[in-house]
Amino acid sequence: DTAVSQTPKYLVTQMGNDKSIKCEQNLGHDTMYWYKQDSKKFLKIMFSYNNKELIINETVPNRFSPKSPDKAHLNLHINSLELGDSAVYFCASSQDLGAGVPDTQYFGPGTRLTVL
Amino acid sequence: GENVEQHPSTLSVQEGDSAVIKCTYSDSASNYFPWYKQELGKRPQLIIDIRSNVGEKKDQRIAVTLNKTAKHFSLHITETQPEDSAVYFCISGGSYIPTFGRGTSLIVHP
Repeated sequence: DTAVSQTPKYLVTQMGNDKSIKCEQNLGHDTMYWYKQDSKKFLKIMFSYNNKELIINETVPNRFSPKSPDKAHLNLHINSLELGDSAVYFCASSQDLGAGVPDTQYFGPGTRLTVL
Repeated sequence: GENVEQHPSTLSVQEGDSAVIKCTYSDSASNYFPWYKQELGKRPQLIIDIRSNVGEKKDQRIAVTLNKTAKHFSLHITETQPEDSAVYFCISGGSYIPTFGRGTSLIVHP
């Protein structure tokens, strides 16, 4: 009955590879997010999706591409991985209260990506 | 975009003391101010939040105060315990563009 789940939990790969991280929420939320948490613990938003439509893409290289097949899923694809992509990636979801009114975000357990 | 400043970056207290963490924000349209706690190796989790129509909210040992005029809000933890040790984040901004503060590492010494 996990609310927000991510797979895999750990991902170790070589530079130049392409990888994907999956996220699913069973809360019926309208908005989903991807965050990157670097080694200094700073949480920075990468993408925000509302009802399967991209809302923001915060200065993220185009090697990163979100894919939302339906409201409950937001996957993250990363092409040509670089050393600097090593971080913990968190997925989150929240309910849209209408007119951009925010509500509580629920986070997934995170995916620790290590690029060698 | 929204700019959120969080202070201090590190806070060390003795068990039983109080801890206060402050955030300032820039967007006067922001109306929702949650605080998240992240324990080592775990996901951020909401501990308390406040909306712009109130000035203070309390939940047992945790309270949040909001000053919309000055654009700042603070997290107050009383009677701290070792299990309060974690990184705490504030958030400001709208539903689709949440901006996190840079986090405060709280260490509670037994």
